[in-house]
Amino acid sequence: EDQVTQSPEALRLQEGESSSLNCSYTVSGLRGLFWYRQDPGKGPEFLFTLYSAGEEKEKERLKATLTKKESFLHITAPKPEDSATYLCAVQARRDDKIIFGKGTRLHILP
Amino acid sequence: EAQVTQNPRYLITVTGKKLTVTCSQNMNHEYMSWYRQDPGLGLRQIYYSMNVEVTDKGDVPEGYKVSRKEKRNFPLILESPSPNQTSLYFCASRPQLANTEAFFGQGTRLTVV
Repeated sequence: EDQVTQSPEALRLQEGESSSLNCSYTVSGLRGLFWYRQDPGKGPEFLFTLYSAGEEKEKERLKATLTKKESFLHITAPKPEDSATYLCAVQARRDDKIIFGKGTRLHILP
Repeated sequence: EAQVTQNPRYLITVTGKKLTVTCSQNMNHEYMSWYRQDPGLGLRQIYYSMNVEVTDKGDVPEGYKVSRKEKRNFPLILESPSPNQTSLYFCASRPQLANTEAFFGQGTRLTVV
């Protein structure tokens, strides 16, 4: 069964304290892995797509990486406005379905 | 501006009273879907549509109906809502291409009492 597991469930960091969020996945042939940001009460906002192991994508203080079993979202010198829930999702080759993890709630303290 | 629009944003209703949540996208996307999001359970797909007049069940379809008569619209229908359908609902759309992310609406918070 295809599955996405994110850890930790919640993370509190001081402003400027870099860290990483983990997304472990099991899927029968990965078509793509997506990262989203979600603010409370709002729809998920797309951040990155990764297609193959070794690929990296960057956007401001965020960098996403991909291996054959997991993806990391690295946050460098975060600011309070980076506080949000970060969702990981995978798409399998055999169909178009997107499967989401439960997310990591990130809180950056000023 | 490219967007997915849901209405209403908030809804409180009583058990058994039929309701419809509308969803419209202006990106000419073929694929549309509905998700519900519950604490501790994440986003779960209710129904999806790969094109006009083509719909299929997702992971949690019980108690819901959908229709896709036009490409831009994909309403979610609750014929007889129950309290366990209290949730945050999201509509999403994307092109019918592989490796593409979904664009989400702003959400509809539904409470069934």
